[in-house]
Amino acid sequence: QKEVEQNSGPLSVPEGAIASLNCTYSDRGSQSFFWYRQYSGKSPELIMFIYSNGDKEDGRFTAQLNKASQYVSLLIRDSQPSDSATYLCAVKDKAAGNKLTFGGGTRVLVKP
Amino acid sequence: DVKVTQSSRYLVKRTGEKVFLECVQDMDHENMFWYRQDPGLGLRLIYFSYDVKMKEKGDIPEGYSVSREKKERFSLILESASTNQTSMYLCATRDQETQYFGPGTRLLVL
Repeated sequence: QKEVEQNSGPLSVPEGAIASLNCTYSDRGSQSFFWYRQYSGKSPELIMFIYSNGDKEDGRFTAQLNKASQYVSLLIRDSQPSDSATYLCAVKDKAAGNKLTFGGGTRVLVKP
Repeated sequence: DVKVTQSSRYLVKRTGEKVFLECVQDMDHENMFWYRQDPGLGLRLIYFSYDVKMKEKGDIPEGYSVSREKKERFSLILESASTNQTSMYLCATRDQETQYFGPGTRLLVL
């Protein structure tokens, strides 16, 4: 059973600070890694994805991947109250074809 | 803009009823998915389809079936609803690496 683990939170972050979210996965064959954001009562939307070890930046978001340690993280710089949401980590491996395996999500609260 | 619509936002059904959840997309995507989302469990894949009349089981297909007669429409069927199928159901399409989700159907089975 492939597993994707996230701390459920809530992760409380002061406005302007960096929010750091972690995700670990069990399948070493995983090749693509995704972060989705889900506002309360809404459906998930893709923030970014990463394939290669290292960092990938997109605006205030940075995804970090370490395949040897089997974790992927998301940093949110200059956190805003509008970043308050649940962040879902998802992984995909080629053998699974089109399937994504999602973690349970981390709830983030940014306090003004 | 990709649009994925689901037939109902809220649905209340009785145990044993047959339930149809419909999903329609307007972007000609080949891949479509049905998930259920429960607190603490994330999204779990029920079924997916990569083409008309094609379907593949996901991680939790038991108690569900699907139908894809047209490219834009993917239906999830609960043959005989049970209380443990009370959940949020999300449909999604995929274009390259991005999955686009519908607004969800919150189903309550009494």
